[in-house]
Amino acid sequence: AQSVTQLGSHVSVSEGALVLLRCNYSSSVPPYLFWYVQYPNQGLQLLLKYTSAATLVKGINGFEAEFKKSETSFHLTKPSAHMSDAAEYFCAVSDLAYGNKLVFGAGTILRVKS
Amino acid sequence: NAGVMQNPRHLVRRRGQEARLRCSPMKGHSHVYWYRQLPEEGLKFMVYLQKENIIDESGMPKERFSAEFPKEGPSILRIQQVVRGDSAAYFCASSPPGSPHYNEQFFGPGTRLTVL
Repeated sequence: AQSVTQLGSHVSVSEGALVLLRCNYSSSVPPYLFWYVQYPNQGLQLLLKYTSAATLVKGINGFEAEFKKSETSFHLTKPSAHMSDAAEYFCAVSDLAYGNKLVFGAGTILRVKS
Repeated sequence: NAGVMQNPRHLVRRRGQEARLRCSPMKGHSHVYWYRQLPEEGLKFMVYLQKENIIDESGMPKERFSAEFPKEGPSILRIQQVVRGDSAAYFCASSPPGSPHYNEQFFGPGTRLTVL
């Protein structure tokens, strides 16, 4: 079965510091991987997605993620955190074996300190 | 182009009442998904529909929950005889025609259901 594990339910960084949010997945077939961001009381917005093209994926707002098959990981990074990055981030997987639904991790709340 | 619309944004029901949640997908989108987010948890898939068809309802509770996406009008998620455990945020997402596996799902703002 598909599953997504996000290590760390809360991550705190200083403004200007590196952001690293971890995501590991399990999938029996090549996956499609997504990172979404959720601001309080809002819906989810797509940051970036991996669909078997380049393993390093660039998204919006300066975020990027690298697909590492050997590690079954898809960690999200941003070189320099901004106060506006404070939100909850969800990693999700979709694959052909399990239909079209997205399977989400539990989420990581990012706090940015000034 | 308007995004995914959901209404109401907030819904309060007493135990035993019915809750109806509505979702209008983005223009041109023919795939609709419903997800539920319980407090302190990630989103859980409930059901995937296309016009007039339920494609995958593997995440739907067996009783009290139903969903439809009629030929005309919004998709409806119906919860009968609500209980306190149904309190959650319910999100609708849509995606365009074509292979949906790698298509982005566009999410609505959600309906926050509170059962008293």
